[in-house]
Amino acid sequence: ELKVEQNPLFLSMQEGKNYTIYCNYSTTSDRLYWYRQDPGKSLESLFVLLSNGAVKQEGRLMASLDTKARLSTLHITAAVHDLSATYFCAAGPMDSNYQLIWGAGTKLIIKP
Amino acid sequence: ETGVTQTPRHLVMGMTNKKSLKCEQHLGHNAMYWYKQSAKKPLELMFVYNFKEQTENNSVPSRFSPECPNSSHLFLHLHTLQPEDSALYLCASSQVWRDRGGEAFFGQGTRLTVV
Repeated sequence: ELKVEQNPLFLSMQEGKNYTIYCNYSTTSDRLYWYRQDPGKSLESLFVLLSNGAVKQEGRLMASLDTKARLSTLHITAAVHDLSATYFCAAGPMDSNYQLIWGAGTKLIIKP
Repeated sequence: ETGVTQTPRHLVMGMTNKKSLKCEQHLGHNAMYWYKQSAKKPLELMFVYNFKEQTENNSVPSRFSPECPNSSHLFLHLHTLQPEDSALYLCASSQVWRDRGGEAFFGQGTRLTVV
């Protein structure tokens, strides 16, 4: 059974600093997603990672996937206050075309 | 029109009431989903419809009843709910992941409070 674990679950950091959120998953998966959720709002897709070694970047966020290590990372470069949100990763089980197993989310607070 | 639209945005209902949540997607996707998001819990998949047919049902209590009349619309019918059912209910849509990556697009959610 696929399980997804994110860490840390809470992160408070200063603007301008770099940090990484980790997403580990327990069994083989062929797709990994990152989403952002602002308080009281819905989830917004950030990245779709479909192959080993995939790296995607958007602004100050960069996501990567290592399928051998069953690990995805979301790296934040020179954080700004606007990036404060909860970030979720989700992985797809091999035996389902639709199911996604979600991590618990990382609440990120960036202080000015 | 936004990609995935949910109504209502907020709903307060008594335990004996019957209500329905509505979701509409304008993205041409072939799969639609209902998720439940409770405080301090991971996102829980409730139902999946692919081409209008329910393909997955994650042991959801029968007081939640989904309906998918066509590939653009999805309903969640609610009856005799319990206070612990209070949560944010999110609708999403996607294509089969092997076609376009399976990225799910979410609606704004319905904040449900059962009193």
